[in-house]
Amino acid sequence: DAKTTQPPSMDCAEGRAANLPCNHSTISGNEYVYWYRQIHSQGPQYIIHGLKNNETNEMASLIITEDRKSSTLILPHATLRDTAVYYCIVSLKTSYDKVIFGPGTSLSVIP
Amino acid sequence: EAGVAQSPRYKIIEKRQSVAFWCNPISGHATLYWYQQILGQGPKLLIQFQNNGVVDDSQLPKDRFSAERLKGVDSTLKIQPAKLEDSAVYLCASSLGGSMETQYFGPGTRLLVL
Repeated sequence: DAKTTQPPSMDCAEGRAANLPCNHSTISGNEYVYWYRQIHSQGPQYIIHGLKNNETNEMASLIITEDRKSSTLILPHATLRDTAVYYCIVSLKTSYDKVIFGPGTSLSVIP
Repeated sequence: EAGVAQSPRYKIIEKRQSVAFWCNPISGHATLYWYQQILGQGPKLLIQFQNNGVVDDSQLPKDRFSAERLKGVDSTLKIQPAKLEDSAVYLCASSLGGSMETQYFGPGTRLLVL
């Protein structure tokens, strides 16, 4: 079973921030939080990852709570091209840890 | 930089037939993964190679699925004989050293078993 839980679907208005939550209450101290997304008919694409500090890159921001039991992926200005399934994954950084994808959150960006 | 290549992109077969998928990873990537993605679900890891050795094949149905990575570069995944429940997208991914943030996925092969 996946180590994370996410809402099955969310809507977001174009141009607004999309905030995608993820619960990972059993995360261990050396496990990272990774986010991937999968646009229809394509393979998953890496977005961002973090251990305990908040992270930002050109695609998104990742906010991890102080107890590390949950996190939020933020797409600051959602566009129609951000419509995709977003996966939150907990894994060791160098891995040979089994990577388990849950069903993810299907984000629909609405014009 | 060329991405992960997979072929064929689509395949339709009848149950009990055999099928093979091919994957060419990104040049220099030592780790190669095969995933199965059933409609509406996240990808499920079938097998992971480090160079030409198997790291994890615990979720590979070995009675019908086999995979090899000769010379530590290209890989093939075979199903023999196929069942209806094997209908899925088969994704290949590769990474530098096995770290998640450097895992790149190919476009996948969509298999329909009738």
